[in-house]
Amino acid sequence: EVQLVESGGGLVKPGGSLRLSCAASGFTFSSYSMNWVRQAPGKGLEWVSSISSSSSYIYYADSVKGRFTISRDNAKNSLYLQMNSLRAEDTAVYYCALTTEGSGWIRWCFDLWGRGTLVTVSS
Amino acid sequence: EILLTQSPATLSLSPGESATLSCRASQSVDSYLAWYQQKPGQAPRLLIYDASNRATGIPARFSGSGSGTDFTLTISSLEPEDFAVYYCQQRRNWPLTFGGGTKVEIK
Repeated sequence: EVQLVESGGGLVKPGGSLRLSCAASGFTFSSYSMNWVRQAPGKGLEWVSSISSSSSYIYYADSVKGRFTISRDNAKNSLYLQMNSLRAEDTAVYYCALTTEGSGWIRWCFDLWGRGTLVTVSS
Repeated sequence: EILLTQSPATLSLSPGESATLSCRASQSVDSYLAWYQQKPGQAPRLLIYDASNRATGIPARFSGSGSGTDFTLTISSLEPEDFAVYYCQQRRNWPLTFGGGTKVEIK
């Protein structure tokens, strides 16, 4: 069964840091691009960051650029999001999601999602 | 940044009725538009990619159409499990963006 399980969320003070992880199983992790998408309480979806299968392509939303870093470890079937200088507006459920790749193309939509991990930034 | 506007914000329908949801882009996204369904307390689920392609396991009552700036998600006959929030998303340009969502509620 294809599965994505996020962890690492919690309560952090403004200006603090947190590292989210996403453990993948049931598929060949190294063949898929991966993403982080967040959802503030009661709000819609917001794309955060994406990384291609070999880490050749990395993208960030302007709202997190310079503060968040996406990375992956294909040997450990894991995706990460290092979040620094956190703000109240970063409070959200953070989902990891996979994206299908082919030979020379990446279909940047979100084929499968994890259940999410809640990040709360508050003093 | 490409802005996606979904309408209506809320759609009140009865089971068995047909639902038509709209997504309009601020500039052309060609056919690079996806639709997702999200139920309360759950992660979103991909329904449609590239405007009209159903994702794996998605029932045939869900269909997508459109290109350029105007897109439609149609649910041909609403089942009880279809009452949820639906989002569109474009992948034509970075940053990837989502619409604000349409809630399909039971009338």
